[in-house]
Amino acid sequence: DAKTTQPPSMDCAEGRAANLPCNHSTISGNEYVYWYRQIHSQGPQYIIHGLKNNETNEMASLIITEDRKSSTLILPHATLRDTAVYYCIVYSGAGSYQLTFGKGTKLSVIP
Amino acid sequence: GAVVSQHPSWVICKSGTSVKIECRSLDFQATTMFWYRQFPKQSLMLMATSNEGSKATYEQGVEKDKFLINHASLTLSTLTVTSAHPEDSSFYICSARAPGGYQPQHFGDGTRLSIL
Repeated sequence: DAKTTQPPSMDCAEGRAANLPCNHSTISGNEYVYWYRQIHSQGPQYIIHGLKNNETNEMASLIITEDRKSSTLILPHATLRDTAVYYCIVYSGAGSYQLTFGKGTKLSVIP
Repeated sequence: GAVVSQHPSWVICKSGTSVKIECRSLDFQATTMFWYRQFPKQSLMLMATSNEGSKATYEQGVEKDKFLINHASLTLSTLTVTSAHPEDSSFYICSARAPGGYQPQHFGDGTRLSIL
């Protein structure tokens, strides 16, 4: 599976949109982009995934560039409870179905 | 939907004892379950992958005789840490995925294991 690059940390003001970038320049055609987050001392929480079209659900929006080499997770109105480590994972969905977690982005939502 | 329950959430025990952790998918059938370990300030590290009815596949460096995994049904997997020692103290997290294509993994809330 392709590797991803994320900034180690970001701050966001409460109520504003949080835009978390992810680079995955070596992504291949059958690989999806998945986003998870981990709030302190809890298991990771699935947020959203996509292949090439933009996706939206009740938690977030996922914007994938046309060349699929990067993506952005958008939390439209960040709250203090969105403070967490966010992981961008590229995954082919085949074989052993394993996810490889990098270091992610520590998002701090500031009052 | 897609709820994974992990039990217990916290366990403290003496060195040399064995500890069993349960992972259940509550509202879907999980053909594949995963066990991860996370040390403080580090990311999740996959320990093993288990498929219902077959032996688990362990990652390199993970002792299969120490970390016994059983996936006896489509909704339950267990991890038993045998003869636990202080260096086994960690945060253990399970996940499960439903069959088919690009189904996401859903994670339990983790088990904090402390060996005295």
